[in-house]
Parts: sequence; structure tokens; C-alpha cells
Amino acid sequence: DTEVTQTPKHLVMGMTNKKSLKCEQHMGHRAMYWYKQKAKKPPELMFVYSYEKLSINESVPSRFSPECPNSSLLNLHLHALQPEDSALYLCASSQASGRTREQYFGPGTRLTVT
Amino acid sequence: QKEVEQDPGPLSVPEGAIVSLNCTYSNSAFQYFMWYRQYSRKGPELLMYTYSSGNKEDGRFTAQVDKSSKYISLFIRDSQPSDSATYLCAMSYYGQNFVFGPGTRLSVLP
Repeated sequence: DTEVTQTPKHLVMGMTNKKSLKCEQHMGHRAMYWYKQKAKKPPELMFVYSYEKLSINESVPSRFSPECPNSSLLNLHLHALQPEDSALYLCASSQASGRTREQYFGPGTRLTVT
Repeated sequence: QKEVEQDPGPLSVPEGAIVSLNCTYSNSAFQYFMWYRQYSRKGPELLMYTYSSGNKEDGRFTAQVDKSSKYISLFIRDSQPSDSATYLCAMSYYGQNFVFGPGTRLSVLP
């Protein structure tokens, strides 16, 4: 089973809302990732969680906040987003952060900020 | 110069054609070379990865890496309309430092 699940599939939120995106994998992977993908662009890495340690792309604004409740779950908390944050948010996992060559992606959450 | 370059397409071919998709890169430290397929509004799907130079085949797909030229290719034989998607190359070194190419949109016409 190489499945990564993400909920919700679609999300529309206002700029003052707080919402969360959820990601789950049951492959026993120890590294999980959040990516942001704008239309006709490749995914851009936002965060990496590996063995409960967080690595951050320093260009990601603080209105995005990741949380890893356990090794199979990864959340992305959203607060005070801007319309330019509208994008497809992808979760991925791999056996370890040193095994990025075998990342498995979820279907994504399509986020629209109004 | 971008770290990884890829012709964005769109590339349109007739069904049954052999498709060649390519990426060039500038960082000679890259060791692993991946190809992902992404259908519209879906997440990327890993097709295959190759370590260092050489060829790797999986069904209708063949990946080639030429590190001396900093050039990688994905060949699709007997292309099908279901192969219509965006193809993203990606590469990494030291197991991390993962970079996607910009992607090539492919349309296989029935």
C-alpha cells in the first residue's frame, strides 16, 4: 500500500479564518512533507518532518504552521492567509528524509482563499 | 541559470508514438534522478528513479541518465491517451536537497 491520504479535497476560506489540512500515511514512513503547488508550476517544498524533527523552508510565512501528532499524521494549520496562498497543497512521505528519491504524494487539497 | 530545466511543452504526439522527455541540470552533485507523472488536479506519482548514470526500464518507460552531459531522459513507448499528463523530472543529492524540474505537459492524441 503506497497510499497517502489528504483531507479535505477542497477548501475555501476567508482571510480571517483558521483551518487545518490533514495528511495520513500507513506505510511506516518516518519522513513527511508539505508542498505548495501553483498552477503550471512544480511543487515547492514547505516543511519536512523527519523522526519528529521539523525542517522549514525559511521562505514560508508564519501563517502556515505544521504539526506532527504522530509518525503517520501530519497537519498544516492555516491562519490569516492571503489570496496568493490559493494553491494545491500536497503531502508526501518517504521512508526517511534521506530517501527523498522515493516520495509518495497524496492527491492534494485545493485551497482557495477569498 | 535554473538548477533544473525542462521544456514546458505542450508536447502533442499521436497514439502509438515514442515520446522523449528531457531535463538538463547544472549541479554535478545530483545522484538520484526521478520521474513523476501528474494528472490534472492530482498529486505527482513516482514512475521510477535512477541512481547515477545508466538506463532503467519499467514496462513502456525507460529512463536514461548521462551525468557527463548533465542530461536525463524519459522514453515512453507505444504512447497511449492515458499517458497525457505533466511529467516532472526531479533530482537529489545526499538523499535530500530535492529539486523538481518545471514539468512538461504531454498530450497523446487518439
